[in-house]
Amino acid sequence: DQQVKQNSPSLSVQEGRISILNCDYTNSMFDYFLWYKKYPAEGPTFLISISSIKDKNEDGRFTVFLNKSAKHLSLHIVPSQPGDSAVYFCAADYGQNFVFGPGTRLSVLP
Amino acid sequence: TAGITQAPTSQILAAGRSMTLRCTQDMRHNAMYWYRQDLGLGLRLIHYSNTAGTTGKGEVPDGYSVSRANTDDFPLTLASAVPSQTSVYFCASSDRRYGELFFGEGSRLTVL
Repeated sequence: DQQVKQNSPSLSVQEGRISILNCDYTNSMFDYFLWYKKYPAEGPTFLISISSIKDKNEDGRFTVFLNKSAKHLSLHIVPSQPGDSAVYFCAADYGQNFVFGPGTRLSVLP
Repeated sequence: TAGITQAPTSQILAAGRSMTLRCTQDMRHNAMYWYRQDLGLGLRLIHYSNTAGTTGKGEVPDGYSVSRANTDDFPLTLASAVPSQTSVYFCASSDRRYGELFFGEGSRLTVL
């Protein structure tokens, strides 16, 4: 049973518009959440994180929102750019190990 | 900056053979990890090491072993490969709790 879920395997967005990637988790002990971006034939790279004591964290075009009561987080990318096309993984921290979701493939269309 | 180096980049292996995937980091991170990436399943933790000399089992440890003789190296060994171990393997490291993971570029393994 997956503890971190990304229910949308893929998402297509027009360049300049907002991309919203969603992530749900089941374990209420998770207290730190991260988003990673992965290009083909490369390792995942860290994008943005949020602690469970916050409900929002912003870094340039990227904002992560956390709703603890719903056990839900989302990544907003505004404006979306073609270079954002990649697979995005949501991850949650328990102890010192990270649990990853299955990923969402984002395609930003020019 | 090298960060994390994995070798080989890709390998085709006959079932029943053994294989060691190498991982070296130059960031002096205490914690290191091995993940496998499979379509629809994301990244699943195989084994981890919080510090040199210690290792632990992750979500999918069966068929794999690791060692952590020093801070920099964290090899992953498949003693007798099976086709279900066909995957892309990523090594990662982290320097503290709540620290981000730094990943290598991956090793693609095909077991026939």
